[in-house]
Amino acid sequence: GAGVSQSPSNKVTEKGKDVELRCDPISGHTALYWYRQSLGQGLEFLIYFQGNSAPDKSGLPSDRFSAERTGGSVSTLTIQRTQQEDSAVYLCASSPTRGPRSPYEQYFGPGTRLTVT
Amino acid sequence: DAKTTQPPSMDCAEGRAANLPCNHSTISGNEYVYWYRQIHSQGPQYIIHGLKNNETNEMASLIITEDRKSSTLILPHATLRDTAVYYCIVRARGIQGAQKLVFGQGTRLTINP
Repeated sequence: GAGVSQSPSNKVTEKGKDVELRCDPISGHTALYWYRQSLGQGLEFLIYFQGNSAPDKSGLPSDRFSAERTGGSVSTLTIQRTQQEDSAVYLCASSPTRGPRSPYEQYFGPGTRLTVT
Repeated sequence: DAKTTQPPSMDCAEGRAANLPCNHSTISGNEYVYWYRQIHSQGPQYIIHGLKNNETNEMASLIITEDRKSSTLILPHATLRDTAVYYCIVRARGIQGAQKLVFGQGTRLTINP
């Protein structure tokens, strides 16, 4: 079936502009994650949505970052007043949570490469 | 989460089995072993996970030692497309364990023609 999709695949923006990144998770997956990965670095957790629960926003680096998930499916990550240090690949993943005792594998999208000039 | 230790790099000839080791000596009884990989310029890809029994799927096999302190990911017939960084992760099950996937340095596997 279709995997996690993200758009756009590449985004170049000027410093100070706002950007929106989109994630379409795998159908039926209740959990959705946003991460970012800077060049040559590991994953940095940003935010986690699980069903109708309040999202875990503990990884958002500043109040310029926000995310929402509408209808339990599509998610949008918004970065306001972008800075050069925001340049990274932004990755979305979804997970087929099956219950509190189940292991959760995460399926990643191809990412959006954001470049702030 | 338990800490994992992997060799930084490995080479394998195309068509041969690639065996990637991982040590997780502080693993707890409720923690699973997960393997992901990241091919250059792509998002991470889930490969396999296990608790204590050996597991096999269409991508790989996972061999976990009886004491669960180490495991080996086996790619039975490596191809050039298997060149990637492979991450071994130990995570607890349950809602809390679903969050914040953290990759260590992983093993950079190079498949040679």
